[in-house]
Amino acid sequence: EEKLLESGGGLVKPGGSLRLSCVASGFTFRSTWMGWVRQAPGKGLEWVGRLKSEHDGGTVDYAAPVKGRFIMSRDDSKNTLYLQMDSLKTEDTATYYCATVGLVEGTEWGLDVWGQGTTVTVSS
Amino acid sequence: SYELTQPPSLSVSPGQTARITCSGEALPKQYVYWYQQKAGQAPLVVIYKDTERPSGIPERFSGSSSGTMVTLTISGVQAEDEADYYCQSADIDGTMGVFGGGTKLAVL
Repeated sequence: EEKLLESGGGLVKPGGSLRLSCVASGFTFRSTWMGWVRQAPGKGLEWVGRLKSEHDGGTVDYAAPVKGRFIMSRDDSKNTLYLQMDSLKTEDTATYYCATVGLVEGTEWGLDVWGQGTTVTVSS
Repeated sequence: SYELTQPPSLSVSPGQTARITCSGEALPKQYVYWYQQKAGQAPLVVIYKDTERPSGIPERFSGSSSGTMVTLTISGVQAEDEADYYCQSADIDGTMGVFGGGTKLAVL
């Protein structure tokens, strides 16, 4: 069974940094594209970014609100996805979900397996 | 920036049919996923590639597509279907994913 488990959330001051982790199991992580999605309290879902597998170039596509501040990376030896968040703003307060991307052929942005999320609060 | 448009809310009685629409100019070229999100839970895929249903999802959930609009249909709605539903696709060039604003389904 495919599983994702996020960690690393917490309370951070504006301008601060935080690193989220997402540990995968039950599927071949190294060949899987991965994504981060966030949800502000009481709001809808929002893309953060998508990271391709190393085999497919390892490139990242970031959503405009986080470009230049957030960095997605992966350690295939540890089956782990990361999200380094710098220069955090109050509007980054959200639950952050990691998810597999494009497991189904032809769906390069489809999110098939989701973690339970980790909560980030940016407040002074 | 590219947007997907959903109605904010929909109310149906148990046993009725709920139809949730999602419109966007790129939908003829990009597949749509539908996610169900119950309170306090992570989203769950109920439809992928416009019309496909994952294993374990009840047959009352179905998807259809016509031009720039896709529709999630829940036939014979049950109380347990009360949730937020999000459509999701990509922009016309496939360079970024995008979510609809979500539809809150109330089963009265």
